[in-house]
Amino acid sequence: VNLEEAGGGLVKPGGSLRLSCAASGFTFRDYYMAWIRQAPGKGLEWLSYISSSGSTKYYAASVKGRFTISRDNANNSIHLQMNSLTADDTAVYYCAKDRGGNNYDYWGQGTVVTVSS
Amino acid sequence: DIQVTQSPSSVSASIGDRVTITCRASQFIGSFLAWYQQKPGKAPKLLIYGASNLQSGVPSRFSGSGYGTDFTLTISSLQPEDFATYYCQQANSDPLTFGGGTKVE
Repeated sequence: VNLEEAGGGLVKPGGSLRLSCAASGFTFRDYYMAWIRQAPGKGLEWLSYISSSGSTKYYAASVKGRFTISRDNANNSIHLQMNSLTADDTAVYYCAKDRGGNNYDYWGQGTVVTVSS
Repeated sequence: DIQVTQSPSSVSASIGDRVTITCRASQFIGSFLAWYQQKPGKAPKLLIYGASNLQSGVPSRFSGSGYGTDFTLTISSLQPEDFATYYCQQANSDPLTFGGGTKVE
């Protein structure tokens, strides 16, 4: 199993960024996936998950209305569209595979998002 | 939202020590609790799911217990590679939430 995030970088407050996570090594279409972030020196914050078909999505209150999760089962990938970014969104963003029951058994290496003017 | 409180926030231990970390949920979550280990600069690693089920490949010195609102992670004999930060996560209801972490140093 391999998960590889991409798309992080430096963005100005109010800006947008789209993160991607390429998955391999498992039957991607069978599993829920999630995005989890970690601000510098802080703990883990779950952000969003998407069901195996993509029909069900859930967001943390901190990102609801600003972030959108999506998946492409044909290309084994998930995405996180992030809009209206603020300094509080500065973090390492991880994608993770749900083994079932909201437990995350594989994680990517993370991609760094920095929101600063 | 279900709040998850870990204690202690840090623990000082030596090789061979038994280490216990506690996690308390603000509401009943049954057995829907997971534990993760994170080393600096690395992604978290799943250790325990369903409160007491050892994830494949995780050494048997790690164990989890608890039900309802109170849970523990125990490392029976601390090894050099176990110095890390440990997080619990409630998996019972959305939004999923993590504890604040316990650093074993």
